[in-house]
Amino acid sequence: AQKVTQAQTEISVVEKEDVTLDCVYETRDTTYYLFWYKQPPSGELVFLIRRNSFDEQNEISGRYSWNFQKSTSSFNFTITASQVVDSAVYFCALSYNTNAGKSTFGDGTTLTVKP
Amino acid sequence: EAGVAQSPRYKIIEKRQSVAFWCNPISGHATLYWYQQILGQGPKLLIQFQNNGVVDDSQLPKDRFSAERLKGVDSTLKIQPAKLEDSAVYLCASSFNSLAEAFFGQGTRLTVV
Repeated sequence: AQKVTQAQTEISVVEKEDVTLDCVYETRDTTYYLFWYKQPPSGELVFLIRRNSFDEQNEISGRYSWNFQKSTSSFNFTITASQVVDSAVYFCALSYNTNAGKSTFGDGTTLTVKP
Repeated sequence: EAGVAQSPRYKIIEKRQSVAFWCNPISGHATLYWYQQILGQGPKLLIQFQNNGVVDDSQLPKDRFSAERLKGVDSTLKIQPAKLEDSAVYLCASSFNSLAEAFFGQGTRLTVV
């Protein structure tokens, strides 16, 4: 069975601070995909990144970066120089195929960035 | 490009009543998903359609929930009769195919009192 744990329920930071959201996963599949989604107050889930199990390269996209470590089954997400607009619920998800549609989602981390 | 449209945005009903949600996916997207997101949890897949056929409904409580996508475009999700524990946000998502990125609607927030 697949499982995703986001141990941090809520995080509060002050604008311009860096913040890391943790994601730990469990799966018996050798091929799998990991995702991060952002859910702003408007409700829709916004896709941020997809990473397959064979690619452990870290990725940076603007102020966002992701650290994938198979040895610890973790896929952590860091926001550098956080902004108020980053306030949202962030979900990590695990799937056996490229589409998060059938993923197992974590319970999310609510990030609040204060001005 | 228009996103995934859902209606209504909010719905309050009494337990044992019926309710229906509507979803219009992105044009050309063959795959459509319905999720239930209980407060404080991640989304849970209820049903997946490929065109007008059901691919996976293993987590759909079929005694009270039903969904259809008759013409392979828009879809409705129905609950009859509703229970208090059905209070949640119901999200619809669509993708070009089952291996492509899914795009989500804003959801319908259902409160059962």
